[in-house]
Amino acid sequence: AQSVTQLGSHVSVSEGALVLLRCNYSSSVPPYLFWYVQYPNQGLQLLLKYTTGATLVKGINGFEAEFKKSETSFHLTKPSAHMSDAAEYFCAVSEGPSGGSYIPTFGRGTSLIVHP
Amino acid sequence: DTGVSQNPRHKITKRGQNVTFRCDPISEHNRLYWYRQTLGQGPEFLTYFQNEAQLEKSRLLSDRFSAERPKGSFSTLEIQRTEQGDSAMYLCASSSSGTFQETQYFGPGTRLLVL
Repeated sequence: AQSVTQLGSHVSVSEGALVLLRCNYSSSVPPYLFWYVQYPNQGLQLLLKYTTGATLVKGINGFEAEFKKSETSFHLTKPSAHMSDAAEYFCAVSEGPSGGSYIPTFGRGTSLIVHP
Repeated sequence: DTGVSQNPRHKITKRGQNVTFRCDPISEHNRLYWYRQTLGQGPEFLTYFQNEAQLEKSRLLSDRFSAERPKGSFSTLEIQRTEQGDSAMYLCASSSSGTFQETQYFGPGTRLLVL
């Protein structure tokens, strides 16, 4: 079984400040991990994903995430927030080919608020 | 590549009525997924097709829900005898099989309100 916990339903930062969105996962097999962004009234857009290899993953719009197996974490960061980053962010986990299913399980989401 | 499209974008219906949603995936994608998203929650998996075969269904998919993908291209999701609890955003996604590193591309969703 797999699950995702996103710490903090809302995160508020000032424009130009560091963005840190937290995600912890549970998986019985080596996980595949994803971050998606959702703007109001739109579908989800993939920001980045980790499958195998390098644990620091770079995505679109300046975001990156680091897979830390010992901490079962996959936190999303961006050095400098922009007003256009305000959106809902979802972390997701799926089990790779050695697992039971590659259907992702999503967290409840974190709303990023960016202040001028 | 025109992306995943969904129609209608919004649907308001009365309790007890039937509704049908359509999803057109990215043309070369053979896998298609349906999710439901309620306010303050992440998407929850409903069902998945590979070509025209429905390969997996969630326990969330009650007998009132049915999905089809008759020619392995577009898909429909029908809800019969709608209930207020069915009010949600219904998301469709598509992907290309081949490896398990496949990326799902999401459509804009259909927002359903049951009165």
